[in-house]
Amino acid sequence: AQSVTQLDSQVPVFEEAPVELRCNYSSSVSVYLFWYVQYPNQGLQLLLKYLSGSTLVKGINGFEAEFNKSQTSFHLRKPSVHISDTAEYFCAVSEMDSSYKLIFGSGTRLLVRP
Amino acid sequence: EAQVTQNPRYLITVTGKKLTVTCSQNMNHEYMSWYRQDPGLGLRQIYYSMNVEVTDKGDVPEGYKVSRKEKRNFPLILESPSPNQTSLYFCASWPGTGIGVGSEGYTFGSGTRLTVV
Repeated sequence: AQSVTQLDSQVPVFEEAPVELRCNYSSSVSVYLFWYVQYPNQGLQLLLKYLSGSTLVKGINGFEAEFNKSQTSFHLRKPSVHISDTAEYFCAVSEMDSSYKLIFGSGTRLLVRP
Repeated sequence: EAQVTQNPRYLITVTGKKLTVTCSQNMNHEYMSWYRQDPGLGLRQIYYSMNVEVTDKGDVPEGYKVSRKEKRNFPLILESPSPNQTSLYFCASWPGTGIGVGSEGYTFGSGTRLTVV
């Protein structure tokens, strides 16, 4: 069965520093991969998605993620964070040949400090 | 504006008192789903619907009911709420066409924070 692991529950970082949020998944078939962001008291917003093709995916707000099939990872990166990036980030996976289900990781809270 | 609308945003209720959380989408999406979000557990799927009158259980369906009588609406019903259903609930929708559920991703509502005392 598919699963998603976000090992870091919270990542504190100073403003303008780079950040990487880690995501690993488990699946026996090919997958689609997503990162969502949840700002305080809001719903989830799609940051970026990997469907096929180039393994480096660029999203909104300067974020990017790299799909690594051999390591079953889809880590999210940003070279320079802002205070406004403080939010919770969710990695999610969906199997290509199956159901209409999106499986989420447990989330990583990014805390950007001045 | 294309959106998924949930109501209410906040709800405090007592154990055993039936309640309904409404969800409506204006994008003519076929697929709709309910998730609950709990700290350290991420989002877990409660129920989903692939079209009108077609619903199925997700990973945590116990204590919940849904209905899909119209394409745009997908209410979540708690017949007898209990404190362990205190959570943040999200409704989501997806077009239902294309190369698979992943191709468009989901559109989420703003959430309903439910407290059962």
